[in-house]
Amino acid sequence: QSALTQPASVSGSPGQSITISCTGTSSDVGGYNYVSWYQQHPGKAPKLIIYDVSNRPSGVSNRFSGSKSGNTASLTISGLQAEDEADYYCSSYMGSSTVIFGGGTKLTVL
Amino acid sequence: QVQLVQSGAEVKKSGASVKVSCKASGYTFTSYAMHWVRQAPGQRLEWMGWINTGDGYTKHSQKFQGRVTITRDTSASTAYMELSSLRYEDTAVYYCARRGIGVGINAFDIWGQGTMVTVSS
Repeated sequence: QSALTQPASVSGSPGQSITISCTGTSSDVGGYNYVSWYQQHPGKAPKLIIYDVSNRPSGVSNRFSGSKSGNTASLTISGLQAEDEADYYCSSYMGSSTVIFGGGTKLTVL
Repeated sequence: QVQLVQSGAEVKKSGASVKVSCKASGYTFTSYAMHWVRQAPGQRLEWMGWINTGDGYTKHSQKFQGRVTITRDTSASTAYMELSSLRYEDTAVYYCARRGIGVGINAFDIWGQGTMVTVSS
């Protein structure tokens, strides 16, 4: 498996909520509660926004939330703001001390 | 403050090797695992491998088996990633990323600034 499946792009207006999906298999997303989400602005390093499916690191806005059902994890951003426009990547543990990333989703704030 | 500072950009010929360094500061180096992730221009993040900075255990993505070597120098609080037999497709930004404590293996809470590696023919 080369990458977890994410939609290439999503969009929303300020104040709205959007959800980004991340689909894997029972060998990664579905098999472990180790899904992380990263936000990446152009030319910058990624930033951890969700870890272990639904936990937020200190300092990350509570507008970001994560969940998982079966082989699909989801990132929801509520109260969309202009600064949320970025690329978002999911990541999952794959067992045997290995990690896989998703293909990435470009979020456009209209 | 806690930070990871990587070595500068590299330009290499196809077939050569490159070694990228990642110096940690502001925390106990051997208490946190270090991972390496790369990103080709306009492409997705790609996990390469990691090192247990305490005992030196390493694990690599099968994609890079035989070509990547991850090491560390605990006295210098520095991790290294060496990629050999470079090809054009290895042109990318290479990041080191620290795994947080008490969290999943893929929870990288601190990232280096990235090192651009350009492979030319």
